[in-house]
Amino acid sequence: AQSVAQPEDQVNVAEGNPLTVKCTYSVSGNPYLFWYVQYPNRGLQFLLKYITGDNLVKGSYGFEAEFNKSQTSFHLKKPSALVSDSALYFCAVRPPTSGTYKYIFGTGTRLKVLA
Amino acid sequence: DGGITQSPKYLFRKEGQNVTLSCEQNLNHDAMYWYRQDPGQGLRLIYYSQIVNDFQKGDIAEGYSVSREKKESFPLTVTSAQKNPTAFYLCASTSSTEAFFGQGTRLTVV
Repeated sequence: AQSVAQPEDQVNVAEGNPLTVKCTYSVSGNPYLFWYVQYPNRGLQFLLKYITGDNLVKGSYGFEAEFNKSQTSFHLKKPSALVSDSALYFCAVRPPTSGTYKYIFGTGTRLKVLA
Repeated sequence: DGGITQSPKYLFRKEGQNVTLSCEQNLNHDAMYWYRQDPGQGLRLIYYSQIVNDFQKGDIAEGYSVSREKKESFPLTVTSAQKNPTAFYLCASTSSTEAFFGQGTRLTVV
């Protein structure tokens, strides 16, 4: 079965330190990969995506993600965390199946940046 | 501005009532989706529609119904058959390369 795993329910990091939020997937073929962020009682906001090309993708608010095909991972990173980065982060995959745009979401990782 | 509008933001339902959540998009997207979000469970797909007048059940469709009479609109009805409807509901639409989300509706049974 196709799936997306975010192995950490919560990640704590001190302000100014680098952060990593992990994501691995189990999807055949070459899927599209996404990261979204959600603030309390709000919808999901797009951060970045990988479709093809350079394995390091840069997105909004200083975030970036590294695609690793051999490890089927797409970890979200930021060199220096801000308290305002505290939110719920979702990894998503769109399988490369023609005719459908169904997305598979991970269960989310809550990022807490400590001042 | 293009986007997805969900209304209302908060909705209260009495036991045995049907309620309808609105979702409108002006992005000219063919595909639209409804997700349910519960704490610690991520997003679960309720229904999706890839084209007007067609829709498919997702993973947790029981107790819900939808319609897609217009490209811009994809309302979700939570029926009395849904035994645990209290949740945060998210509507989305997709292009070929990205999903866009509304701001959500929080439904509470009172």
